[in-house]
Amino acid sequence: DADVTQTPRNRITKTGKRIMLECSQTKGHDRMYWYRQDPGLGLRLIYYSFDVKDINKGEISDGYSVSRQAQAKFSLSLESAIPNQTALYFCATSPANTGELFFGEGSRLTVL
Amino acid sequence: QKEVEQDPGPLSVPEGAIVSLNCTYSNSAFQYFMWYRQYSRKGPELLMYTYSSGNKEDGRFTAQVDKSSKYISLFIRDSQPSDSATYLCAMSRMDSSYKLIFGSGTRLLVRP
Repeated sequence: DADVTQTPRNRITKTGKRIMLECSQTKGHDRMYWYRQDPGLGLRLIYYSFDVKDINKGEISDGYSVSRQAQAKFSLSLESAIPNQTALYFCATSPANTGELFFGEGSRLTVL
Repeated sequence: QKEVEQDPGPLSVPEGAIVSLNCTYSNSAFQYFMWYRQYSRKGPELLMYTYSSGNKEDGRFTAQVDKSSKYISLFIRDSQPSDSATYLCAMSRMDSSYKLIFGSGTRLLVRP
């Protein structure tokens, strides 16, 4: 089984719908992240969390919210999806004080 | 101007060739430098991790950092078809090692 699991792997939705992407990990890391990947733009940080009570905005947090339900679970929500949120979304974890990220396999979201 | 620039490729080489992948950056505060490999439909995985300037070798892979030129490189010796993937450089500051700034990735194709 994957150490970092994302669900769903693929989702097609319509403008204005609420969407939740879920992430769970078995690596035992405290730090969890949500990134989005767009062609030509690389990976950009949406939100990150150092523990259950610590949530921080990344460089592109507008239009997104997150919830850290437990040390192992970190979910990303789009309250009202719009077409320019069509992207590949990655959850990642890391040990404290390193830049070594462990990524899930991604959730491809299409907003029509 | 992006903080980290990376040629998107694609770069196509014959099996056995030496591959050179590069990134330039503008922020002199970056101290941690990484290379991630991403296969199609998969999440990125860490390949090489270096701190400050110098070289680091791991098997067929060598990472090189030239801070005076703000330039990092990844060399792959004896390239194999299994090396065909997108290679992402990433870097971060010492005071925020968890906030990685990614290049947009170079797609590499190694032809048998």
